[in-house]
Amino acid sequence: DADVTQTPRNRITKTGKRIMLECSQTKGHDRMYWYRQDPGLGLRLIYYSFDVKDINKGEISDGYSVSRQAQAKFSLSLESAIPNQTALYFCATSDLQDNEQFFGPGTRLTVL
Amino acid sequence: GEDVEQSLFLSVREGDSSVINCTYTDSSSTYLYWYKQEPGAGLQLLTYIFSNMDMKQDQRLTVLLNKKDKHLSLRIADTQTGDSAIYFCAERREARGSTLGRLYFGRGTQLTVWP
Repeated sequence: DADVTQTPRNRITKTGKRIMLECSQTKGHDRMYWYRQDPGLGLRLIYYSFDVKDINKGEISDGYSVSRQAQAKFSLSLESAIPNQTALYFCATSDLQDNEQFFGPGTRLTVL
Repeated sequence: GEDVEQSLFLSVREGDSSVINCTYTDSSSTYLYWYKQEPGAGLQLLTYIFSNMDMKQDQRLTVLLNKKDKHLSLRIADTQTGDSAIYFCAERREARGSTLGRLYFGRGTQLTVWP
């Protein structure tokens, strides 16, 4: 079984809809991250959490919110989706030493 | 600048060596990383180097670090078609007055290997 799972893997939605992307990990890591990937722009950090009570904004947090429901779960919400949020979204985890981040398979989100 | 920089594309012929270059931003970054992303998949750690090293070799991979110029390179010897992927450079920057560092990624280099 995969260590970091994301659901859904693909989602098509309309402008204005609320969307939640979920991430679960079985690695026992404290740190979790949400990134978005756009062609030519690489990975940009949306939010990160160093433990269950810790939430931090990344470079592009506007229009997004997160919830760290448990050590193993970190969800990303788009309260009112807009077309420029069409992207590939990745969840990642790492231990306290942060020597390696483990990535989920990604969620491809299309906002029409 | 504040961004980790890398060229977007590299094409090589199968069997040749590939060299992917990266310029990072913070001379006090403790670790530098290379991640690989295959089509339709997430990123996977390929290799990393601690900042007090200047070279690391692992089978076909050689990482060179020039701290003075803040330059990192990844050399893949005998490049194969299976090496075609996007390669991301990343640096670990420590937060000021804190041990809570995090990674900053470059935009990725698309490596295409021609048979």
